Amino acid sequence: DTGVSQNPRHKITKRGQNVTFRCDPISEHNRLYWYRQTLGQGPEFLTYFQNEAQLEKSRLLSDRFSAERPKGSFSTLEIQRTEQGDSAMYLCASSPLRISSYEQYFGPGTRLTVT
Amino acid sequence: EDQVTQSPEALRLQEGESSSLNCSYTVSGLRGLFWYRQDPGKGPEFLFTLYSAGEEKEKERLKATLTKKESFLHITAPKPEDSATYLCAVQSIRGGGADGLTFGKGTHLIIQP
Repeated sequence: DTGVSQNPRHKITKRGQNVTFRCDPISEHNRLYWYRQTLGQGPEFLTYFQNEAQLEKSRLLSDRFSAERPKGSFSTLEIQRTEQGDSAMYLCASSPLRISSYEQYFGPGTRLTVT
Repeated sequence: EDQVTQSPEALRLQEGESSSLNCSYTVSGLRGLFWYRQDPGKGPEFLFTLYSAGEEKEKERLKATLTKKESFLHITAPKPEDSATYLCAVQSIRGGGADGLTFGKGTHLIIQP
């Protein structure tokens, strides 16, 4: 399978704990995006990488959130001191760096439950 | 601020009953409009990209069209396996075409046999 992969698929944590999610994009896709989706809503953009550079961050990305993409390959999203409001599906997407090709391909997501 | 509004929120059809889903948008310079399908508990699956008014794209029983203010996803003779949430999203040219997508809340489509 050459699609976007995300791990873990599910995570249950207690309020105040730190969690880290991993995303492996489609091979050779230079662009990588993180989104958050809650029940009944569409995905909301969090942040974007082109290769290893983080080029854009949404105001939704509070100081407790940090994302990295070392060496321009996989990416990690860390949430520190989790709160119940962080419970959501966290989606990763990747896109090729081609002119006139902007579609994003999503992974299966990581469902986070904060108790 | 970019905005996307989808209607209806939910739609129940009989198998074979054609219909259309609406996506209205406001964006400061449209780079592209995207349609996705999402099944419960899964990530969105890419369907179409539309770039300019008047453009149309087709895939099996689905056809997407675009005007300057809205897009339609037409479903012809749907089957139960077409049941899913259909998401519409826009990307603005603000960031050179690499911005994150702004999504609507989706239309939850149920096709009854």
